[in-house]
Amino acid sequence: EVQLLESGGGLVQPGGSLRLSCAASGFTFSSYAMSWVRQAPGKGLEWVSGISANGASTYYADSVKGRFTISRDNSRNTLYMQMNSLTAGDTAVYYCAKNVYDYVWGSYLVSWGQGTLATVSS
Amino acid sequence: EIVLTQSPGTLSLSPGERATLSCRASQSVSSSYLAWYQQKPGQAPRLLIYGASSRATGIPDRFSGSGSGTDFTLIISRLEPEDFAVYYCHQYSPPWTFGQGTKVEIK
Repeated sequence: EVQLLESGGGLVQPGGSLRLSCAASGFTFSSYAMSWVRQAPGKGLEWVSGISANGASTYYADSVKGRFTISRDNSRNTLYMQMNSLTAGDTAVYYCAKNVYDYVWGSYLVSWGQGTLATVSS
Repeated sequence: EIVLTQSPGTLSLSPGERATLSCRASQSVSSSYLAWYQQKPGQAPRLLIYGASSRATGIPDRFSGSGSGTDFTLIISRLEPEDFAVYYCHQYSPPWTFGQGTKVEIK
């Protein structure tokens, strides 16, 4: 059974940083692209970033480009999101999700974690 | 960027009724790269449909998807109590976008 367990959320001041992690199990992590999708409180889903299976290709939404960095450690079966220069607009539940293929574009999301809440507030 | 507009915003129906949800794209969606997800309160989204019309593993056949180009539809043929939730369409050609969601509530 696929399991995705996010961690690292919390309360941070505007301008601060957070590093999210997603521990994966139940599948061959190194064979699949992975993505982050966020959901602001009471709002819809917003794609944030994606990374290919081997980590060579990364993609970002314009809203986070230059501030967020996605990475993965296939030896640890873990996905990361380094979030810098955070603003109130980044407050959301961040979901880690498994893509169906080893690439991002054209590869829908088959499994999702339960999410971790990042709150940006002074 | 492809903008997805879902309608209606809220659908009030009774168990056993048929639900028809619409997702309209601002431009043609490549290769029917269109998925539907279900989300219940406090839970992560769950994949229902991919490729516009293919059911994901374990999804009951009362859920069906159709459409191409710019117009897509999700139909729930007979609503079960567990189907009351929010439904999102998602196009997965670059850059990814989601619709704003349709809430299916109990009438």
